[in-house]
Amino acid sequence: GAVVSQHPSRVICKSGTSVKIECRSLDFQATTMFWYRQFPKQSLMLMATSNEGSKATYEQGVEKDKFLINHASLTLSTLTVTSAHPEDSSFYICSARDHRRDPTGELFFGEGSRLTVL
Amino acid sequence: SQKIEQNSEALNIQEGKTATLTCNYTNYSPAYLQWYRQDPGRGPVFLLLIRENEKEKRKERLKVTFDTTLKQSLFHITASQPADSATYLCALDHSSASKIIFGSGTRLSIRP
Repeated sequence: GAVVSQHPSRVICKSGTSVKIECRSLDFQATTMFWYRQFPKQSLMLMATSNEGSKATYEQGVEKDKFLINHASLTLSTLTVTSAHPEDSSFYICSARDHRRDPTGELFFGEGSRLTVL
Repeated sequence: SQKIEQNSEALNIQEGKTATLTCNYTNYSPAYLQWYRQDPGRGPVFLLLIRENEKEKRKERLKVTFDTTLKQSLFHITASQPADSATYLCALDHSSASKIIFGSGTRLSIRP
């Protein structure tokens, strides 16, 4: 199956700093990437949807200036948590699909990035 | 309001039995529904997709049903094994398949 690589898997940062998480599709072109956030024992909450070359569409309640998403190429999307605070500590997961190949198909997920803000 | 609910937060069954997980949705009209498995600290892994015009889909020991009248999907694991222990998530498309929304998940434990 298709592979999505997410990096870093764990990051610890100080409050007020910014953290960048990368999501790469290794063997397919990700026309659409989704960023989710997951708190312990809770489900995945969609944060934003990004299409290659266009601005991300954010879900209600997600601050676009705080969670910067860039999808500059068909294989890479980045999520930057700006001025991170302890309440931003969470498990962030990206997923991707090739809409042109299979518009209703499965999502391929990265392994997730656990962010801890001190 | 729109909701996706999975019947129980946790389910504990004996090895060899069939595990049945439920996913109910409200105020959605999905064209398809998916099931994923998630292990602790890992990203979800796709298991099965069923479309609105399909009643049932099977894959090895897995079976999924989709009833658009009841707005419900059932996920079955037959001959369950301890290795099947994980959290199972249902997901459906929303807004013309532009995004995928997940249910709350059911944590399944299979005891030997």
